[in-house]
Amino acid sequence: NAGVTQTPKFRVLKTGQSMTLLCAQDMNHEYMYWYRQDPGMGLRLIHYSVGEGTTAKGEVPDGYNVSRLKKQNFLLGLESAAPSQTSVYFCATRGDRGWVGNTEAFFGQGTRLTVV
Amino acid sequence: KNEVEQSPQNLTAQEGEFITINCSYSVGISALHWLQQHPGGGIVSLFMLSSGKKKHGRLIATINIQEKHSSLHITASHPRDSAVYICAVSSGGGADGLTFGKGTHLIIQP
Repeated sequence: NAGVTQTPKFRVLKTGQSMTLLCAQDMNHEYMYWYRQDPGMGLRLIHYSVGEGTTAKGEVPDGYNVSRLKKQNFLLGLESAAPSQTSVYFCATRGDRGWVGNTEAFFGQGTRLTVV
Repeated sequence: KNEVEQSPQNLTAQEGEFITINCSYSVGISALHWLQQHPGGGIVSLFMLSSGKKKHGRLIATINIQEKHSSLHITASHPRDSAVYICAVSSGGGADGLTFGKGTHLIIQP
C-alpha cells in the first residue's frame, strides 16, 4: 500500500520554465490538497479538490494551476516558474467517505523545488 | 481564519527527559492534528483528536476544547524523537484543508 506518492522528489527549474507535480493516492480518498512549506512559516494551502473533476483555490493560488481528471491523481502545474516558488511542496489526502472534518490526513514525501 | 500558535519554536533536551509541546488556536475546530516531520523527510500523522486524550507508545496528546489548547507530550525522550512537530487544525466541514502552526523543532541529545 503506497499511500500518497509524489513525483518528482527534487527538481531545479530556470525562471520561466514550466513543470507539473504529480500526486497519486491509492486510498480512494475524495479530498486532495497541495501545500507549500517555506522556512519560518506553517504549511499553506495552494489548491484543493473535493472530488474528481473539481478544484478550488486555497490561500496562495497565484502562479499555480491544478487538475483532477482522475480520482486518484491531483496535478499541480507551474506555467512560468518564478524564484518565489522555490519551496517544498506537499500533497495530502483525507476522507474516504462522509464528513471530512474529523478524518486523518495523509501526506506525500514532498517535492523540493528550486527555481533559479 | 484560524490562527494556530505553537510553543516553544525550538527545544533542545537530554535523552530521557519529559517533553511538552503546546498548541493554541483561535477559533472552534472539528479536529486537531499532531504531525511529525524528520529532517528532509515527509510528514507523518501522529494523532488526530477532537476531545480528551490519546496515547501511542511514549507519545501522549491532550486537548482542552474550552481553552482552545492542546499539548503533545513525549515520555522518556530518545534521540530518534528529534524532528519538527507540527500542530494543525480543521474547522467546520474541513474540506478546505488544515491550518498549520509553524512547528516546534525538537532536538534530543544523547
